[in-house]
Amino acid sequence: GENVEQHPSTLSVQEGDSAVIKCTYSDSASNYFPWYKQELGKRPQLIIDIRSNVGEKKDQRIAVTLNKTAKHFSLHITETQPEDSAVYFCAASQAGRRALTFGSGTRLQVQP
Amino acid sequence: DAGVIQSPRHEVTEMGQEVTLRCKPISGHNSLFWYRQTMMRGLELLIYFNNNVPIDDSGMPEDRFSAKMPNASFSTLKIQPSEPRDSAVYFCASSLVGTSGSSGREQYFGPGTRLTVT
Repeated sequence: GENVEQHPSTLSVQEGDSAVIKCTYSDSASNYFPWYKQELGKRPQLIIDIRSNVGEKKDQRIAVTLNKTAKHFSLHITETQPEDSAVYFCAASQAGRRALTFGSGTRLQVQP
Repeated sequence: DAGVIQSPRHEVTEMGQEVTLRCKPISGHNSLFWYRQTMMRGLELLIYFNNNVPIDDSGMPEDRFSAKMPNASFSTLKIQPSEPRDSAVYFCASSLVGTSGSSGREQYFGPGTRLTVT
């Protein structure tokens, strides 16, 4: 089955700096890669996703890049703000298998 | 839309008792997923349904766990008998997947049920 590894496990940045979280996946058949943000005590919420037919997708301050050859994808957050502080999860899904395999999460702390 | 609805939000029970968690997916969605979240194991898929049919239950820990989806708007996850190691947050999520399997796939999570087994 699919295995998703996520790094780093914790990340602390100053407000206004950029943050990058990286994930690798094992199954070359995976073709859908969402990112979720989970605030303390809340549900995971989808913030951005990318499919394997594109290499990059951007939505305001967040962007995701995908390298299919290397089987890794990354989340980039620019101009970080304290409200970006949360746990971020990457995930991967194979074509035809609708379930997601999640990474272990990255706790992002944005220092004011 | 009210989003995915789960009940109860919190459940505290004693070891050996039966626990039933409930989920109402987003109207019109055709896939439903049950996940468990713990500090040690992160977010794990337990089972998922497509068009009310269980597709993959390989994540169900053992026979003490069972899940049903009697119709498109309701699913249950039952643990009988419950054990302290079952303590976790249980999330239900739903999505709309096209017939080709490649469209949609955004999963929307419910608020979760925090289960504590003493």
